[in-house]
Amino acid sequence: QQPVQSPQAVILREGEDAVINCSSSKALYSVHWYRQKHGEAPVFLMILLKGGEQKGHDKISASFNEKKQQSSLYLTASQLSYSGTYFCGTAIYGQNFVFGPGTRLSVLP
Amino acid sequence: EPEVTQTPSHQVTQMGQEVILRCVPISNHLYFYWYRQILGQKVEFLVSFYNNEISEKSEIFDDQFSVERPDGSNFTLKIRSTKLEDSAMYFCASGGAAGANVLTFGAGSRLTVL
Repeated sequence: QQPVQSPQAVILREGEDAVINCSSSKALYSVHWYRQKHGEAPVFLMILLKGGEQKGHDKISASFNEKKQQSSLYLTASQLSYSGTYFCGTAIYGQNFVFGPGTRLSVLP
Repeated sequence: EPEVTQTPSHQVTQMGQEVILRCVPISNHLYFYWYRQILGQKVEFLVSFYNNEISEKSEIFDDQFSVERPDGSNFTLKIRSTKLEDSAMYFCASGGAAGANVLTFGAGSRLTVL
Protein backbone atom coordinates (compact mmCIF):
# COMPACT_ATOMS: atom_id res chain seq x y z
CA GLN A 1 0.00 0.00 0.00
CA GLN A 2 1.77 3.11 -1.23
CA PRO A 3 1.81 6.10 1.14
CA VAL A 4 0.45 9.44 0.01
CA GLN A 5 2.67 12.51 -0.06
CA SER A 6 1.79 16.18 -0.22
CA PRO A 7 2.48 18.55 -1.76
CA GLN A 8 3.62 17.09 -5.08
CA ALA A 9 6.02 19.95 -5.60
CA VAL A 10 7.16 23.06 -3.78
CA ILE A 11 9.34 26.00 -4.79
CA LEU A 12 11.15 28.00 -2.12
CA ARG A 13 13.54 30.85 -1.86
CA GLU A 14 16.73 30.18 0.06
CA GLY A 15 16.06 30.63 3.78
CA GLU A 16 12.36 29.76 3.63
CA ASP A 17 10.76 26.82 5.43
CA ALA A 18 8.84 23.87 4.01
CA VAL A 19 6.80 20.95 5.29
CA ILE A 20 6.29 17.71 3.41
CA ASN A 21 3.60 15.32 4.58
CA CYS A 22 3.29 11.57 4.29
CA SER A 23 0.30 9.46 5.26
CA SER A 24 -0.83 5.89 5.05
CA SER A 25 -4.20 4.19 5.18
CA LYS A 26 -2.73 1.38 7.28
CA ALA A 27 -0.96 1.18 10.63
CA LEU A 28 2.73 1.87 10.31
CA TYR A 29 5.74 0.31 11.94
CA SER A 30 8.23 2.88 10.78
CA VAL A 31 8.63 5.83 8.46
CA HIS A 32 11.75 6.58 6.49
CA TRP A 33 12.70 9.71 4.60
CA TYR A 34 15.03 9.76 1.61
CA ARG A 35 16.20 12.50 -0.70
CA GLN A 36 17.05 11.98 -4.33
CA LYS A 37 18.95 14.49 -6.41
CA HIS A 38 18.50 14.46 -10.15
CA GLY A 39 20.29 11.54 -11.77
CA GLU A 40 21.38 10.06 -8.46
CA ALA A 41 20.24 7.30 -6.14
CA PRO A 42 18.00 8.03 -3.13
CA VAL A 43 19.95 8.83 0.01
CA PHE A 44 18.77 8.06 3.53
CA LEU A 45 17.84 11.05 5.69
CA MET A 46 16.21 9.60 8.78
CA ILE A 47 14.02 6.85 10.17
CA LEU A 48 11.28 7.18 12.77
CA LEU A 49 10.24 4.09 14.68
CA LYS A 50 7.98 5.13 17.52
CA GLY A 51 4.66 6.94 17.60
CA GLY A 52 5.14 10.62 18.34
CA GLU A 53 8.86 10.40 17.76
CA GLN A 54 10.69 13.39 16.39
CA LYS A 55 14.13 13.29 14.92
CA GLY A 56 16.34 15.71 13.16
CA HIS A 57 19.74 16.76 12.15
CA ASP A 58 20.96 20.12 11.05
CA LYS A 59 17.85 22.01 9.91
CA ILE A 60 15.89 18.99 8.70
CA SER A 61 13.60 17.26 11.18
CA ALA A 62 10.65 14.92 11.08
CA SER A 63 7.77 13.78 13.21
CA PHE A 64 5.82 10.54 13.25
CA ASN A 65 2.27 10.38 14.56
CA GLU A 66 1.53 6.68 14.80
CA LYS A 67 -2.15 7.17 15.67
CA LYS A 68 -2.79 9.33 12.65
CA GLN A 69 -0.50 7.18 10.50
CA GLN A 70 1.27 10.31 9.36
CA SER A 71 4.74 11.74 9.20
CA SER A 72 5.94 15.21 8.35
CA LEU A 73 9.36 16.37 7.21
CA TYR A 74 10.34 19.89 8.22
CA LEU A 75 12.98 21.82 6.31
CA THR A 76 14.00 25.00 8.09
CA ALA A 77 15.90 27.90 6.55
CA SER A 78 16.27 25.94 3.32
CA GLN A 79 19.56 25.88 1.47
CA LEU A 80 20.20 25.40 -2.23
CA SER A 81 21.52 21.94 -1.44
CA TYR A 82 18.08 20.89 -0.18
CA SER A 83 16.74 20.77 -3.73
CA GLY A 84 15.69 17.32 -4.84
CA THR A 85 12.83 14.88 -4.58
CA TYR A 86 11.88 13.72 -1.11
CA PHE A 87 10.40 10.28 -0.66
CA CYS A 88 8.84 8.84 2.41
CA GLY A 89 9.00 5.10 2.81
CA THR A 90 6.57 3.36 5.07
CA ALA A 91 6.64 -0.08 6.65
CA ILE A 92 3.46 -1.80 7.66
CA TYR A 93 3.85 -4.27 10.50
CA GLY A 94 5.91 -7.25 9.44
CA GLN A 95 6.32 -6.16 5.87
CA ASN A 96 8.95 -4.43 3.86
CA PHE A 97 8.41 -0.86 2.96
CA VAL A 98 7.35 1.00 -0.14
CA PHE A 99 8.02 4.57 -1.19
CA GLY A 100 5.54 7.38 -1.67
CA PRO A 101 5.33 9.16 -5.03
CA GLY A 102 7.77 11.86 -3.97
CA THR A 103 7.71 15.61 -3.40
CA ARG A 104 9.88 17.70 -5.70
CA LEU A 105 11.53 20.55 -3.80
CA SER A 106 13.23 23.39 -5.63
CA VAL A 107 15.18 25.98 -3.67
CA LEU A 108 15.97 29.13 -5.59
CA PRO A 109 18.63 31.72 -4.72
CA GLU B 1 32.08 3.83 3.85
CA PRO B 2 30.49 0.58 2.64
CA GLU B 3 28.56 0.87 -0.59
CA VAL B 4 26.28 -1.07 -2.89
CA THR B 5 27.80 -1.64 -6.30
CA GLN B 6 25.74 -2.06 -9.46
CA THR B 7 26.76 -3.12 -12.96
CA PRO B 8 26.39 -2.18 -15.70
CA SER B 9 25.81 1.52 -15.17
CA HIS B 10 24.02 1.72 -18.52
CA GLN B 11 22.76 -0.98 -20.85
CA VAL B 12 21.09 -0.61 -24.21
CA THR B 13 19.14 -3.59 -25.50
CA GLN B 14 16.71 -4.51 -28.23
CA MET B 15 13.08 -5.18 -27.41
CA GLY B 16 12.53 -8.85 -26.65
CA GLN B 17 16.03 -9.48 -25.34
CA GLU B 18 16.88 -10.72 -21.87
CA VAL B 19 18.86 -8.48 -19.54
CA ILE B 20 20.73 -9.29 -16.33
CA LEU B 21 21.54 -6.52 -13.90
CA ARG B 22 24.06 -7.20 -11.16
CA CYS B 23 24.43 -5.90 -7.65
CA VAL B 24 26.94 -6.44 -4.87
CA PRO B 25 25.20 -5.51 -1.61
CA ILE B 26 26.97 -4.41 1.55
CA SER B 27 28.64 -7.49 2.94
CA ASN B 28 26.96 -7.77 6.36
CA HIS B 29 23.49 -6.80 5.19
CA LEU B 30 20.75 -9.40 5.18
CA TYR B 31 17.98 -7.86 3.10
CA PHE B 32 18.22 -7.05 -0.57
CA TYR B 33 15.89 -5.12 -2.80
CA TRP B 34 15.33 -4.12 -6.38
CA TYR B 35 13.46 -0.91 -7.22
CA ARG B 36 12.67 0.61 -10.59
CA GLN B 37 12.32 4.29 -11.44
CA ILE B 38 11.02 5.43 -14.80
CA LEU B 39 12.40 8.87 -15.63
CA GLY B 40 10.77 11.54 -13.50
CA GLN B 41 8.50 9.10 -11.71
CA LYS B 42 8.33 7.39 -8.35
CA VAL B 43 10.68 4.77 -6.98
CA GLU B 44 8.72 1.56 -7.58
CA PHE B 45 9.26 -1.53 -5.44
CA LEU B 46 9.94 -4.73 -7.39
CA VAL B 47 11.16 -7.37 -4.96
CA SER B 48 12.78 -8.01 -1.61
CA PHE B 49 15.02 -10.96 -0.80
CA TYR B 50 16.04 -12.49 2.51
CA ASN B 51 17.62 -15.76 3.54
CA ASN B 52 18.07 -16.86 -0.05
CA GLU B 53 14.45 -16.46 -1.01
CA ILE B 54 12.00 -13.81 -2.10
CA SER B 55 10.22 -12.29 0.92
CA GLU B 56 7.94 -9.94 -0.99
CA LYS B 57 7.31 -9.04 -4.61
CA SER B 58 5.24 -6.55 -6.54
CA GLU B 59 2.26 -7.48 -8.68
CA ILE B 60 4.24 -7.09 -11.88
CA PHE B 61 7.25 -9.08 -10.74
CA ASP B 62 6.37 -12.57 -11.95
CA ASP B 63 5.46 -11.31 -15.41
CA GLN B 64 9.01 -10.58 -16.42
CA PHE B 65 11.45 -10.63 -13.55
CA SER B 66 13.47 -13.08 -11.52
CA VAL B 67 16.22 -12.69 -8.93
CA GLU B 68 19.12 -14.85 -7.87
CA ARG B 69 21.89 -14.80 -5.35
CA PRO B 70 24.26 -17.13 -7.17
CA ASP B 71 27.07 -16.79 -4.64
CA GLY B 72 27.69 -15.08 -1.34
CA SER B 73 28.10 -11.62 -2.79
CA ASN B 74 26.13 -11.04 -6.00
CA PHE B 75 22.41 -10.33 -6.27
CA THR B 76 21.04 -10.31 -9.80
CA LEU B 77 17.84 -9.15 -11.48
CA LYS B 78 16.88 -10.83 -14.72
CA ILE B 79 14.40 -9.15 -17.03
CA ARG B 80 12.92 -11.51 -19.57
CA SER B 81 11.79 -10.36 -23.00
CA THR B 82 12.28 -6.64 -22.46
CA LYS B 83 9.66 -4.13 -23.58
CA LEU B 84 10.02 -0.46 -24.44
CA GLU B 85 8.35 0.50 -21.17
CA ASP B 86 11.04 -1.34 -19.21
CA SER B 87 13.37 1.54 -19.97
CA ALA B 88 14.14 2.91 -16.52
CA MET B 89 16.72 3.21 -13.81
CA TYR B 90 16.98 0.06 -11.74
CA PHE B 91 18.22 0.49 -8.20
CA CYS B 92 19.53 -2.23 -5.95
CA ALA B 93 19.45 -1.60 -2.20
CA SER B 94 20.51 -3.54 0.85
CA GLY B 95 19.63 -3.21 4.49
CA GLY B 96 20.27 -4.76 7.86
CA ALA B 97 16.89 -5.52 9.42
CA ALA B 98 13.29 -5.70 8.20
CA GLY B 99 10.96 -2.83 9.03
CA ALA B 100 13.66 -0.79 10.69
CA ASN B 101 15.82 -1.19 7.62
CA VAL B 102 17.98 1.69 6.62
CA LEU B 103 18.47 1.11 2.95
CA THR B 104 21.66 1.89 1.15
CA PHE B 105 21.10 2.28 -2.56
CA GLY B 106 23.46 1.54 -5.38
CA ALA B 107 24.05 4.18 -8.05
CA GLY B 108 21.62 2.41 -10.36
CA SER B 109 21.68 0.72 -13.73
CA ARG B 110 20.07 2.63 -16.55
CA LEU B 111 18.30 0.34 -19.00
CA THR B 112 17.34 1.60 -22.42
CA VAL B 113 15.16 -0.66 -24.55
CA LEU B 114 15.03 0.15 -28.25
